[in-house]
This record gives sequence, C-alpha cells and structure tokens, in this order.
Amino acid sequence: KQEVTQIPAALSVPEGENLVLNCSFTDSAIYNLQWFRQDPGKGLTSLLLIQSSQREQTSGRLNASLDKSSGRSTLYIAASQPGDSATYLCAVRPGTSYGKLTFGQGTILTVHP
Amino acid sequence: DTAVSQTPKYLVTQMGNDKSIKCEQNLGHDTMYWYKQDSKKFLKIMFSYNNKELIINETVPNRFSPKSPDKAHLNLHINSLELGDSAVYFCASSQGGLAGRYTQYFGPGTRLTVL
Repeated sequence: KQEVTQIPAALSVPEGENLVLNCSFTDSAIYNLQWFRQDPGKGLTSLLLIQSSQREQTSGRLNASLDKSSGRSTLYIAASQPGDSATYLCAVRPGTSYGKLTFGQGTILTVHP
Repeated sequence: DTAVSQTPKYLVTQMGNDKSIKCEQNLGHDTMYWYKQDSKKFLKIMFSYNNKELIINETVPNRFSPKSPDKAHLNLHINSLELGDSAVYFCASSQGGLAGRYTQYFGPGTRLTVL
C-alpha cells in the first residue's frame, strides 16, 4: 500500500528566503507525481506534474524534482513571498493508473513579511 | 468561467438525514472523482468515473452513492448521515481517464457538518 509522507509538517520563513519542501513515498512504482497548493477554505490548485520518466519540472519560481528509485520528491520555492503562504500537498499516482492519487498530509507554509 | 464547481459550498445537517452534493465541470474532461478530506487534512479518493462508468470504488460505506448522469456531472448522495461523515468533500476532473497522465483539476470543496 502506497504511503506518502511530507516533511516538515509546517514551515515559517521570512520573505525572500529560498525553501525546500520534501515528499517521500514508499512504493517507487509510480506513474507520476503532482504538487498542489491549497489555500484555506479553497480547493486544490495544481502546481507541477512530473511524469515517472522525468527528473524535474519548473514553473516560475517553483522547481520540483523526482527521484523515483529513492522514493523522493522536493519542491523548491525561490525568493518566497507572503502570497506563497498555503498548504502544499504532494500526491502520487500508481503505475497501474486509473488516476487514484495518494496524498501526503501536506506542509503548511507561512511566509511573513 | 469556473472549471470545476460544486454545490453547496457548506452543508449543515442532522444525523440520519440524506443529502446530495453536486459537481459539474466545463473542461470537457472524461474522468471525474470524489475525494474526502478529514479533520487531519488527509485527502483520500472515494470514487472515480470515466465516461460515466465507475472505475474506482474505494472502501467507502454503501451509504455513499455516486451518480454520473453525463461526463460533465458527478453527484454524491449520502444516506443516513453520521457524525464521522463530517469533512470537506472535493470533486475533481481530468482528461485521459485510464491513462491517468494528466493533471486533476479540483473544485472548491463542500464542507459537510453533521450535528
């Protein structure tokens, strides 16, 4: 059974810092991995999707890496801003697809001015 | 403009009642999902439909019954509501169904509170 763990559970940083969020998964036979952002009381917004054959994806100040063999992914946020404050969720899709995402519990990020 | 919409946004009801949550997507996707997010913020899949056919049915009490009248709609009906059903329910959609290659788009969630 796939388990996804995110570390740290919460992170508070001053504006401008670069930061790294970690995600680990127990079964390396994944189809892809996705990072989401969830704002309080809102739905999820997809940030980056990395297919199992890829090593990383970039979008603006965000960079996500994937090391499938070790069961790890990191989300790197450069030059953090208060608007980045949210919960960041990592989700993996198994090799036998059907879109069944398994989510981590999330990292609550607070960027203070 | 809303890609995935859910109604209602908030639902407060008494134990034992029956309620429905509706979901609609205007993205032209062929696959839709229901997720439950509990008080500890864990998101778990409940059901998935691809072209109106049920393809994922997790270990969910049979009091929960999804219905997909067409590809753009996936509703969730809950019978005999219990306190433990209190959670936020998210609808999502994606394209490519069984291939599962593409991003899932989520609705804003429905916060269900059972008293």
